[in-house]
Amino acid sequence: QKEVEQNSGPLSVPEGAIASLNCTYSDRGSQSFFWYRQYSGKSPELIMSIYSNGDKEDGRFTAQLNKASQYVSLLIRDSQPSDSATYLCAARRRGSTLGRLYFGRGTQLTVWP
Amino acid sequence: ETGVTQTPRHLVMGMTNKKSLKCEQHLGHNAMYWYKQSAKKPLELMFVYNFKEQTENNSVPSRFSPECPNSSHLFLHLHTLQPEDSALYLCASSLLTYTDTQYFGPGTRLTVL
Repeated sequence: QKEVEQNSGPLSVPEGAIASLNCTYSDRGSQSFFWYRQYSGKSPELIMSIYSNGDKEDGRFTAQLNKASQYVSLLIRDSQPSDSATYLCAARRRGSTLGRLYFGRGTQLTVWP
Repeated sequence: ETGVTQTPRHLVMGMTNKKSLKCEQHLGHNAMYWYKQSAKKPLELMFVYNFKEQTENNSVPSRFSPECPNSSHLFLHLHTLQPEDSALYLCASSLLTYTDTQYFGPGTRLTVL
């Protein structure tokens, strides 16, 4: 079973704070990792992808990957109320030609003003 | 809004009805996917089509029948569904199955009475 685990939350942070979202995965064959944001009643939207150990920054978002610990995280700096959503972590296995993504259950984030 | 559209957005059906969900992508992609999203559960991949050919059926019951007449259109035909099939059904597309980004449609919220 290729599992991706996330804390369901809710995670609540004040506006301007750093929100830290965590994800672990069980399949060591996983190579590519993705963070999707899903607003209530809407479809998932890709925020970040990461393939190599270390940090990847894009604006206020930083994805971190540690393959040895099988751990992926997403940091949101200067959190805004508009960041309130469910964040989905997904992993794809090395060599997969079918595009299969394994998703976690998602972490609900609330940013309060 | 993404380049993937889905109709209808909401559907209520009885267990004896037959209905179809439609997905259309305007992105020039060659791979299309059906996902099921139930409350408190991870996104579940149902079917994958690559260049109109079905490449994966993730042990989906036969009461769900996909159809992909061309690379831009994907259907999910429904018949004799069960109340536990009530969920958000999401369509996604990507350029190829092994490229990274899957773009999701807005989904069809299905309720089976």
